[in-house]
Amino acid sequence: QSVLTQPPSASGTPGQRVTISCSGSNSNIGKYTVNWFQQLRGTAPKLLIYNSYRRPSGVPDRFSGSTSGTSASLAITGLQSEDEADYYCAAWDANLNTYVFGPGTVVTVL
Amino acid sequence: QVQLQESGPGLVKSSQTLSLTCTVSGGSFGSGNNYWTWIRQTPGKGLEWIGYIYYFGTTSYNPSLTSRVSMSVDASKRQFSLRLTSVTAADTAVYYCARAPYTDNPGEFYMDVWGKGTTVTVSS
Repeated sequence: QSVLTQPPSASGTPGQRVTISCSGSNSNIGKYTVNWFQQLRGTAPKLLIYNSYRRPSGVPDRFSGSTSGTSASLAITGLQSEDEADYYCAAWDANLNTYVFGPGTVVTVL
Repeated sequence: QVQLQESGPGLVKSSQTLSLTCTVSGGSFGSGNNYWTWIRQTPGKGLEWIGYIYYFGTTSYNPSLTSRVSMSVDASKRQFSLRLTSVTAADTAVYYCARAPYTDNPGEFYMDVWGKGTTVTVSS
């Protein structure tokens, strides 16, 4: 059981906005920055958002991250078919003294 | 650009030691700018951070694995390695190596380049 909680699934039609939540505590999201990873089927995870809202070079600006208190969100605006993937939030946890991942959210484009 | 490639046996017998190597091509390796990291993924537990080794030998391991894990670096070969002892079926997973940019703030830790992963199965 992860200390970070994500909904198991999310979906939307092309062009829609989809938001994925990640809930934690004061020992992780409430204290440190959050990262988001995208994992397409059969491939390795890819860094999507780091330090809560920063995008690595090459990541489209329709992906955005935010935090509020002990929760974080990943928003995908203008959903595209190639966005179908698993999305994981992650952060350092001070109590566990380790880096932790959320269980992942499967995004389906209808 | 930087690329990472995992290598090692795909099958390990229970109670034995799992050994994997990650070869880094492109970019800097010995400059101290990065943590070299291992992560694994199982259908049941999802993604699990195993730990990292810093170029100068400093390590940080997941407390749940620290008694069985060790990591090392061979800068001359641009490689870093993972050893996991006394494996069981629960260690069956896809193992990824990854690069994490150096930071003096653990709260800003993240992995920005990943290998493709290698599947390790523990057999009885």
